Amino acid sequence: GQSLEQPSEVTAVEGAIVQINCTYQTSGFYGLSWYQQHDGGAPTFLSYNALDGLEETGRFSSFLSRSDSYGYLLLQELQMKDSASYFCAHEGSARQLTFGSGTQLTVLP
Amino acid sequence: EPEVTQTPSHQVTQMGQEVILRCVPISNHLYFYWYRQILGQKVEFLVSFYNNEISEKSEIFDDQFSVERPDGSNFTLKIRSTKLEDSAMYFCARTGSTDTQYFGPGTRLTVL
Repeated sequence: GQSLEQPSEVTAVEGAIVQINCTYQTSGFYGLSWYQQHDGGAPTFLSYNALDGLEETGRFSSFLSRSDSYGYLLLQELQMKDSASYFCAHEGSARQLTFGSGTQLTVLP
Repeated sequence: EPEVTQTPSHQVTQMGQEVILRCVPISNHLYFYWYRQILGQKVEFLVSFYNNEISEKSEIFDDQFSVERPDGSNFTLKIRSTKLEDSAMYFCARTGSTDTQYFGPGTRLTVL
């Protein structure tokens, strides 16, 4: 089967750096994506890794290690507006996304 | 890149009724997807639609569900006989030029 594990909650203060980990099990792997979702909103694409290594997009970076079936999302210079749920998702053969259960990030002042 | 739009934003229906949820692409994309999210839970894949055919579907997408692109533009998800457990947010998504999936704002379906 396919599954992705990530912490349910993370709390950090403004200006800090936070890392959200994701481990996965899948029969076929095509890439790992990260999405942000605010309450009542749609998932918003943040980052994508198809190959091992680090991808950087502004304050957000994502890392992938396919040999370890592991990835993480790194958020730097945290802002209050970053309080949201963050989902890792892996891509299947038809490009369909299988999501993890999500990590609720709370940023404190 | 622009997201798709979805209508209606909120649909309330009685159990056993049929509902049709619509996804309107901004431009002519080939890959479309439907996902659902039950309140407080993760996003779940329902079906992918490529070049006017279903390319993949999940176990959730049973005979009660169907997808169409009736006029070559709108992309619809039909639930034939709604159940209480169908209450969820339904998101349409499409791939962009970089194969990234962009989600629409969603339709909140409430089954009474």
